[in-house]
Amino acid sequence: RKEVEQDPGPFNVPEGATVAFNCTYSNSASQSFFWYRQDCRKEPKLLMSVYSSGNEDGRFTAQLNRASQYISLLIRDSKLSDSATYLCVVNKAPSGTYKYIFGTGTRLKVLA
Amino acid sequence: DTGVSQDPRHKITKRGQNVTFRCDPISEHNRLYWYRQTLGQGPEFLTYFQNEAQLEKSRLLSDRFSAERPKGSFSTLEIQRTEQGDSAMYLCASSHGLAGDRRFGPGTRLTVL
Repeated sequence: RKEVEQDPGPFNVPEGATVAFNCTYSNSASQSFFWYRQDCRKEPKLLMSVYSSGNEDGRFTAQLNRASQYISLLIRDSKLSDSATYLCVVNKAPSGTYKYIFGTGTRLKVLA
Repeated sequence: DTGVSQDPRHKITKRGQNVTFRCDPISEHNRLYWYRQTLGQGPEFLTYFQNEAQLEKSRLLSDRFSAERPKGSFSTLEIQRTEQGDSAMYLCASSHGLAGDRRFGPGTRLTVL
């Protein structure tokens, strides 16, 4: 079993739709969690950190469920510019070595 | 800041040749990371440095791979005797301290023929 698992998609949604992605992780000792966005043939860029209480940044909401070991990303009112791959990242931190483990990414296509 | 830069952006080489990539991190960042990404996969951790010290290496980093950060600033990643399976995007990232945001460079795309 992979340490971080995501549905690769693609998720094809119309503009204005709400879409949600889940990501599961296997290491219950994982310390911190992130969502990164990666455009085609570009580098990953931090979208948002995921906090235990859940957090929101504009149209984006991230949730963490430690008991079930998954994190989620909700995008409301999708824009064409949201089309990208969304990477779930889990930080394994034994002995403070903060090793990011990336999922394979979920592709989102927002259609006009 | 000027961001993380990587050079070259693209490299095409023949199997068996050696290649070297360079990464210049954000100047105040003391941690530097190398990742490899293949099509349809997320980045995979290769190694990281705190200042000039290489603190961790993935088992993905075979003995054909070597990384250095001699003065705690820029880093190089060398692959000796390249194989077709080495074809990938090689990403460098840097951060300030343990909890700092990890900023990625644009990557070096390697194609081994």
